[in-house]
Amino acid sequence: DAGITQSPRHKVTETGTPVTLRCHQTENHRYMYWYRQDPGHGLRLIHYSYGVKDTDKGEVSDGYSVSRSKTEDFLLTLESATSSQTSVYFCAISEGGVSYGYTFGSGTRLTVV
Amino acid sequence: GENVEQHPSTLSVQEGDSAVIKCTYSDSASNYFPWYKQELGKRPQLIIDIRSNVGEKKDQRIAVTLNKTAKHFSLHITETQPEDSAVYFCAAGFQGAQKLVFGQGTRLTINP
Repeated sequence: DAGITQSPRHKVTETGTPVTLRCHQTENHRYMYWYRQDPGHGLRLIHYSYGVKDTDKGEVSDGYSVSRSKTEDFLLTLESATSSQTSVYFCAISEGGVSYGYTFGSGTRLTVV
Repeated sequence: GENVEQHPSTLSVQEGDSAVIKCTYSDSASNYFPWYKQELGKRPQLIIDIRSNVGEKKDQRIAVTLNKTAKHFSLHITETQPEDSAVYFCAAGFQGAQKLVFGQGTRLTINP
């Protein structure tokens, strides 16, 4: 379905623990993105990738890191989870960047307690 | 960098009436403006987009208009139906750029 999957779909973790979210695509698209969705803030970009091992920061990157060691996988790591990182995280893919549009994954609901 | 403002944050209309959602952007270089619809518990999905070389685009009951001089664009939904109830996001970017900037979202409710 849509060629993009996120795992896990739901996660509860404790403050201070590291957490890794995975985005996997089967479309061989060059661009991959991590957004977080919070009420009143819409979708805010955390990090994105424009190729294997090529990544850049978005507007809310503090406390997050990413890695892309192969085309199909884009990992988001919360180094030391905080309650402010409780959110819904969406991965998106794009064939050729902005004007090709995004396809979103189903999201990961993360709760930090 | 680009900044996108979206209004209203919530909108309630009677079934069959029209709904309009407005967005403004700050970067005059932006030339691609998509709209996404997110149903409850689902992923955002692209419903329509417009590029800066046109002023209006229609797809059945949905239309988007763009005013580049004023740097704003709008989504128009006519003859609203219950299945139009969702959160709608506008976004802006420029061709060749690598990322979109999204508005804050509008929760549209269609009342029967």
